Amino acid sequence: ETGVTQSPTHLIKTRGQQVTLRCSSQSGHNTVSWYQQALGQGPQFIFQYYREEENGRGNFPPRFSGLQFPNYSSELNVNALELDDSALYLCASSRQGMDQPQHFGDGTRLSIL
Amino acid sequence: GESVGLHLPTLSVQEGDNSIINCAYSNSASDYFIWYKQESGKGPQFIIDIRSNMDKRQGQRVTVLLNKTVKHLSLQIAATQPGDSAVYFCAEAMNTGFQKLVFGTGTRLLVSP
Repeated sequence: ETGVTQSPTHLIKTRGQQVTLRCSSQSGHNTVSWYQQALGQGPQFIFQYYREEENGRGNFPPRFSGLQFPNYSSELNVNALELDDSALYLCASSRQGMDQPQHFGDGTRLSIL
Repeated sequence: GESVGLHLPTLSVQEGDNSIINCAYSNSASDYFIWYKQESGKGPQFIIDIRSNMDKRQGQRVTVLLNKTVKHLSLQIAATQPGDSAVYFCAEAMNTGFQKLVFGTGTRLLVSP
């Protein structure tokens, strides 16, 4: 069983740039969630995708957007990057349902200069 | 690693001891809970979950206890090993129509040989 994979593992950008992060979900999973983890903190929910549509969003501005593809893989796009966007971005996949555990990838470490 | 634990509560134990990690959750309407282990440079790894209609669940060397009256979770690790050293997060699934995980602050477990 293939787990959740994310790419790239590390990325350096400058303020104002745009970035796309990618995630392949675990086989058998149809739901993808994205989280932001700042240094020394727990992950914060950004949004969730199911059936190629956003079905829930956390407290993040519209410059954070995403896509889910027919094969359940997903992208996170961030526009107009700010210094505070420096963080570990985590993707998690699961089966649909309130009591289905989310399984995480190892994340993309994004640094904004 | 970058993603975990500059100023987290820390539990230090000797190899072979039993460890108990505690977590207070915020929402009395949460009905699903997960414990994750996060090692340096990695994403959160699923350990064990519990639904709100249960008060105890056991896995391999781990037990989760749920006390809904005081909104408290604990993770017990039996015969703790050096490989158990990591940051541990509890997460509650908020009943918002989709599974949004809200993470606790995390506890660093240090196991000495």
